Amino acid sequence: QKEVEQNSGPLSVPEGAIASLNCTYSDRGSQSFFWYRQYSGKSPELIMSIYSNGDKEDGRFTAQLNKASQYVSLLIRDSQPSDSATYLCAVNARPGTASKLTFGTGTRLQVTL
Amino acid sequence: KAGVTQTPRYLIKTRGQQVTLSCSPISGHRSVSWYQQTPGQGLQFLFEYFSETQRNKGNFPGRFSGRQFSNSRSEMNVSTLELGDSALYLCASRRTGGDRDTQYFGPGTRLTVL
Repeated sequence: QKEVEQNSGPLSVPEGAIASLNCTYSDRGSQSFFWYRQYSGKSPELIMSIYSNGDKEDGRFTAQLNKASQYVSLLIRDSQPSDSATYLCAVNARPGTASKLTFGTGTRLQVTL
Repeated sequence: KAGVTQTPRYLIKTRGQQVTLSCSPISGHRSVSWYQQTPGQGLQFLFEYFSETQRNKGNFPGRFSGRQFSNSRSEMNVSTLELGDSALYLCASRRTGGDRDTQYFGPGTRLTVL
């Protein structure tokens, strides 16, 4: 079982729709969770961080964390063609190892016109 | 505030050679981490330096090494290059060593080993 799992996609959504990206992790002691966006040929760019159960909203983005079920999700409202990218879920497993992020393989999102 | 910078951006080497990559963190950031990204393995953690000391290390052979200078700039060295070392090498910086500090990535160095 991989430590951080994501559906590789592609996830195709029409412009203006809600895109829902999911991620599950195996280590119950995981503390911090991040979503990065990566355009082709570019480096990862931080979208959201979340540390506590529940929802965290930032503009069109909402991160959701459920530690009991060991999943974290990212919702993108009013999806735009510019949102087309690979979204990486990253998890920091243990305190004191905050730098050692474990990444999923990423979900490729395609927003169609 | 300027972001993380990495040099060089592109590099072509042959098997058996060694290579040194450089990373300058965001001003005020003291932690620098290195990652390798390949199509097959995704993003994998190499190591982290904080205050010139290696704090964490991933599962990579000893051919991969690094160091950090007093100004927080970091270098990564790969010796005896193999074809499989071809990858995008990413550097990320954090303000402190705290667990909730977010990592910010540089543009990466694309290494091709022939």
